[in-house]
Amino acid sequence: SAVISQKPSRDICQRGTSLTIQCQVDSQVTMMFWYRQQPGQSLTLIATANQGSEATYESGFVIDKFPISRPNLTFSTLTVSNMSPEDSSIYLCSSTMNTEAFFGQGTRLTVV
Amino acid sequence: GEDVEQSLFLSVREGDSSVINCTYTDSSSTYLYWYKQEPGAGLQLLTYIFSNMDMKQDQRLTVLLNKKDKHLSLRIADTQTGDSAIYFCAEMTARQLTFGSGTQLTVLP
Repeated sequence: SAVISQKPSRDICQRGTSLTIQCQVDSQVTMMFWYRQQPGQSLTLIATANQGSEATYESGFVIDKFPISRPNLTFSTLTVSNMSPEDSSIYLCSSTMNTEAFFGQGTRLTVV
Repeated sequence: GEDVEQSLFLSVREGDSSVINCTYTDSSSTYLYWYKQEPGAGLQLLTYIFSNMDMKQDQRLTVLLNKKDKHLSLRIADTQTGDSAIYFCAEMTARQLTFGSGTQLTVLP
């Protein structure tokens, strides 16, 4: 398996500002995934990030709001832009290796 | 499209067995997973089963898969208070990992 280090683990942000979340994997992985978990909800896939190409966004998520970078096979960032209180969630990055999907520790974001 | 469903709540007495159920719709799923999420924590992989298997046992955990009915279950034997958490099933298809809504397991003393 692999280990993903995600930071920050939590943050409290003012509305209208942006926050960039980083994930570092200790192995090279082809795809990385970004999920959102709203309070009391399941995980919803935001986008899939492949190295060297633009991220693929799921319905309801757009690049202007959630720009993603994937500069190499071990690193990715997700930015939550122009935040509003509705963006308060846990954000998780993930990847897969062989049979296992593994996750970062999550970023608990509160927008005030 | 992919759709994974679970019941939202389950309560059991300490020492009893817990059975958490999950249904899915995508017949092309390759692996099915069970994750545990404790309050304020991330996701912990508990176990997984390949789609051509029908059962997998791992200590107190037993996973049953009925591929015909697209039904997955997780049985926890001798449930303990430390097992109280939200349990998510998830299916892996060629495209992505899709999660159920999660089942909140409460273990009563």
